[in-house]
Formats: sequence, structure tokens, C-alpha cells
Amino acid sequence: QITLKESGPTLVKPTQTLTLTCTFSGFSLSTSGVGVGWIRQPPGKALEWLALIYWDDDKRYSPSLKSRLTITKDTSKNQVVLTMTNMDPVDTATYYCARSDIVATTPTAPFDYWGQGTLVTVSS
Amino acid sequence: AIRITQSPSSLSASTGDRVTITCRASQGISSYLAWYQQKPGKAPKLLIYAASTLQSGVPSRFSGSGSGTDFTLTISCLQSEDFATYYCQQYYSYPWTFGQGTKVEIK
Repeated sequence: QITLKESGPTLVKPTQTLTLTCTFSGFSLSTSGVGVGWIRQPPGKALEWLALIYWDDDKRYSPSLKSRLTITKDTSKNQVVLTMTNMDPVDTATYYCARSDIVATTPTAPFDYWGQGTLVTVSS
Repeated sequence: AIRITQSPSSLSASTGDRVTITCRASQGISSYLAWYQQKPGKAPKLLIYAASTLQSGVPSRFSGSGSGTDFTLTISCLQSEDFATYYCQQYYSYPWTFGQGTKVEIK
């Protein structure tokens, strides 16, 4: 059974750094083809892709947020961590982590398993 | 970045109706398009990938078509549990991008 769960602060102040952890089970981020990404959704708005890290430590970021984002993995702990610096009220959103699993016949794959999401509010 | 234009933004339909949602990419993305269903307060659920491949466990009333720039999600016979918001997403090139969503409401 594959599960992912996000954890981190529910409230951060403007200019602070947000650190979110995705803890997963049922798969390994050392397996070829596997990736874990982060997606956010402001209240009542659409989904926004943020970042993705693959089994081989290849990292991809949203260009509009790249200067503020860092994604890392701890394979031994089955965790992926996302940090976002200089938080602003517009960053208030539900943050999701999700798995991507590339199969042999395709070079890329969408998110097939998602965490429940965690709401992060940015306010002083 | 590849822009995804999804339409309509919302629609009203009745149980049993056939519903069609479209996504258009700003440039060709081959068949690297996925469809997700999201219910209020829940995470998105993958319905279709590779434009037309049904994810395991997804009812066959859902179908997808298209390639290149134009894609369609069809629900052949709308059920009560299908009232939700639907998103398309391209995973052809980074940054991956989502459509703005289509909310399917009860008429």
C-alpha cells in the first residue's frame, strides 16, 4: 500500500522560511524511475506544480519559484523535504506531495499517488 | 512554460448526462497529458494518463482522447459521485503545468 503524508507548520510569518516534509511508504525513492514532487493549491484556486526530485537526485523546479525553493531527499528515512524561503501571504495554500513513477516505456509519468495535503497559512 | 487552457471553467449537468471537458496546450505535448478528479477537501486523484489510458480502478465511463495540443475528457454517463472539479496536466516538459480546472455541478 502506497501512502504519502505531508507535515510541517500550519502558520508561518511573512519573510520566514517554510519547511515541509513528505513521509512516504510502500515504495522507495532509490528505485529507478521514481520521483516525489510538491504541488500547491491556494484556497479556491487551481493546482500549481512546485518541484520534483527523482531517484537519481535529479531535481526540477518551477522557474517562477526556483530562487526560493529547495527539494531534498532522505532515502533511508523515506522522506522528501521542501523548503521555501521568504514566505508571503500569497503563498497561503494547501501543499501536497505526490509520487511519479516512470515506467520502462515512457520517459516521464504524472502523479499517481498523493498525500492528503497540509494547509499552510502565511500571516503575521 | 507550456500553457494549458481548460474549458469550460464550470458546467451544470444531470446524472446520466454525457460530459466533455477540453484542454488545449500552447504547444505540442504528444500524449503526455493526465486528468485528475478532485473533490472538496481532498487530494486530486489520477483518472487518465498518456491522454487516453485509464488508471487502474477508474470506472470505464471515464475516457480521454487527443494528442499534440487538443485533448478531451469524457464522462459517458454522469454519476452522483462524479460531481467534482477536474484538472488536466501536461508532463511533457518542465515546468509541469495544470489547467485551471472544470467544476462539474449538479443541474
